[in-house]
Amino acid sequence: GAGVSQSPSNKVTEKGKDVELRCDPISGHTALYWYRQSLGQGLEFLIYFQGNSAPDKSGLPSDRFSAERTGGSVSTLTIQRTQQEDSAVYLCASSARQGVLSGEKLFFGSGTQLSVL
Amino acid sequence: GENVEQHLSTLSVQEGDSAVIKCTYSDSASNYFPWYKQELGKGPQLIIDIRSNVGEKKDQRIAVTLNKTAKHFSLHITETQPEDSAVYFCAASRRGGSYKLIFGSGTRLLVRP
Repeated sequence: GAGVSQSPSNKVTEKGKDVELRCDPISGHTALYWYRQSLGQGLEFLIYFQGNSAPDKSGLPSDRFSAERTGGSVSTLTIQRTQQEDSAVYLCASSARQGVLSGEKLFFGSGTQLSVL
Repeated sequence: GENVEQHLSTLSVQEGDSAVIKCTYSDSASNYFPWYKQELGKGPQLIIDIRSNVGEKKDQRIAVTLNKTAKHFSLHITETQPEDSAVYFCAASRRGGSYKLIFGSGTRLLVRP
């Protein structure tokens, strides 16, 4: 079946503009994660959604970042007033049940390459 | 909080040789250690994982070993092939206590033909 789908695959924006990144998880997966991968760096946790529970936003780097998940499926990561340091690959992952908490593996999308000029 | 260190940023080996990538972790309560492989332009993909109740796990040409006392775990790839060339990430979490995977910074493996 289809894997995790992210769009757009590439996004170039000007400093100060807002951007929205979209993630379509695998159907039936209740856990959804956003990670950020900066050049030459590891994966930095941003936010975690599990079912109808309140999301864990502890990884969001500033209040310019927000995310929502509608209907327990599609998620959107929004970055307001983008800065050059926001340039990175934004990866979405989904997992069955409670994800890592229950020992489930993560399925990653191919990511959105964000470039802020 | 948990910290996962992956000290080797790049590793180059000759095709057919073995490759070993090591990671260290800080949280002694960590008990789940996956390895992900990321090919160019793609998202990371789980290749093998180990839980703290075992010391070694093998799957064909890849294996992972865990030393809980020293708090390090390693990925072993034998008989390397050009298609093994990718970035490999280690990660750790406290299964049952945390849903976050803390990743290392990645090791780029280059297998020379």
